[in-house]
Amino acid sequence: DTAVSQTPKYLVTQMGNDKSIKCEQNLGHDTMYWYKQDSKKFLKIMFSYNNKELIINETVPNRFSPKSPDKAHLNLHINSLELGDSAVYFCASKGRGRANTGELFFGEGSRLTVL
Amino acid sequence: QQPVQSPQAVILREGEDAVINCSSSKALYSVHWYRQKHGEAPIFLMILLKGGEQKGHDKISASFNEKKQQSSLYLTASQLSYSGTYFCGTEPPFLHGGSQGNLIFGKGTKLSVKP
Repeated sequence: DTAVSQTPKYLVTQMGNDKSIKCEQNLGHDTMYWYKQDSKKFLKIMFSYNNKELIINETVPNRFSPKSPDKAHLNLHINSLELGDSAVYFCASKGRGRANTGELFFGEGSRLTVL
Repeated sequence: QQPVQSPQAVILREGEDAVINCSSSKALYSVHWYRQKHGEAPIFLMILLKGGEQKGHDKISASFNEKKQQSSLYLTASQLSYSGTYFCGTEPPFLHGGSQGNLIFGKGTKLSVKP
């Protein structure tokens, strides 16, 4: 079983469309994240979500919105897609407490291409 | 605040050693190290939590100088499998200790190991 799974792995769409990327973790972790990796390979944090507390990176446009139906899922919705949104989006999760090392577990990534 | 990594890239022959540095302008709760191969998700290498802590497995180790807000990753007797981009990630502390939880990554160091 994949610990952190994302769908879809590839997404090609036109400018102006709205799209979603789903993320699920089966590790029982409390905190989930979305990271964006651009063509220069910079890994930039977008959101973290912990026990219904959302922490947003203030540089993220409000066209991006995370939605968490439950602790195991953190989906990413993107409205009015722009060319600059093209990137690989990684979901990640982390546990807390003594049983956890603090390690981030990453999903395989979702490559978004906006035409 | 994004940590600064150096060098940006390094090319090694098999068996050679390398050091990758990571520094922050802010106090740190922890430093993480990850390796990412092309087209894959970042993979956790290690986390350092205490000032002066050193960790390692195999021929990859790291140190954390809390006072200097720096960490270094040491790769000895490099193997072809070490090739990839190495990221350090830092967590700022809360005022009363503990982590704020959001891992901020440096821009990465691309390591290429040649036969």
